Amino acid sequence: QQQVKQSPQSLIVQKGGISIINCAYENTAFDYFPWYQQFPGKGPALLIAIRPDVSEKKEGRFTISFNKSAKQFSLHIMDSQPGDSATYFCAANGGSQGNLIFGKGTKLSVKP
Amino acid sequence: DTAVSQTPKYLVTQMGNDKSIKCEQNLGHDTMYWYKQDSKKFLKIMFSYNNKELIINETVPNRFSPKSPDKAHLNLHINSLELGDSAVYFCASSQWLRRGGNTIYFGEGSWLTVV
Repeated sequence: QQQVKQSPQSLIVQKGGISIINCAYENTAFDYFPWYQQFPGKGPALLIAIRPDVSEKKEGRFTISFNKSAKQFSLHIMDSQPGDSATYFCAANGGSQGNLIFGKGTKLSVKP
Repeated sequence: DTAVSQTPKYLVTQMGNDKSIKCEQNLGHDTMYWYKQDSKKFLKIMFSYNNKELIINETVPNRFSPKSPDKAHLNLHINSLELGDSAVYFCASSQWLRRGGNTIYFGEGSWLTVV
């Protein structure tokens, strides 16, 4: 059973465009929702995270939107740059589930 | 200083061999993990240790045996390697396990190829 569903699997965006990646979760006990960024040949690294007491969190060009009632959250990358090309993973944990549950990842390619 | 370091980065070995991957974290964290990332990039938890105690042991063949000599180290030993074991293995750590807000820090990965 996949507890965190992520889409799309891959995404191609033009430089300067907006990249949007969506995730949905099932466990209502989850209370922490991070996004990880992974470049080729590297380990995943925390990009931005949100807790369900807010509906949006912004850090630079990266924004998480959170919809608690729909059990969905999304990552928006504004003014996407070729350097943003990477694989992005959403994740969740909380309650007795201390370990992060990851989505299957989205490979983002930003074309110059 | 590298927060989570693992060695070797690349490992090519023959089927049937036994190999180990070492991991160390200098973050002072209590919890360490091994994740496996397959060719489709899916990240799957294998093991989790909290203060040297095994906490999570997902459905992993018993050919895989983690060992934690202290809370800063978590090594992974693999016996009788099979072709399907080829993957990237990530060591990771976090401050705690059974609490929310649990940011996990990953190493750079160990690329295992079984031929």
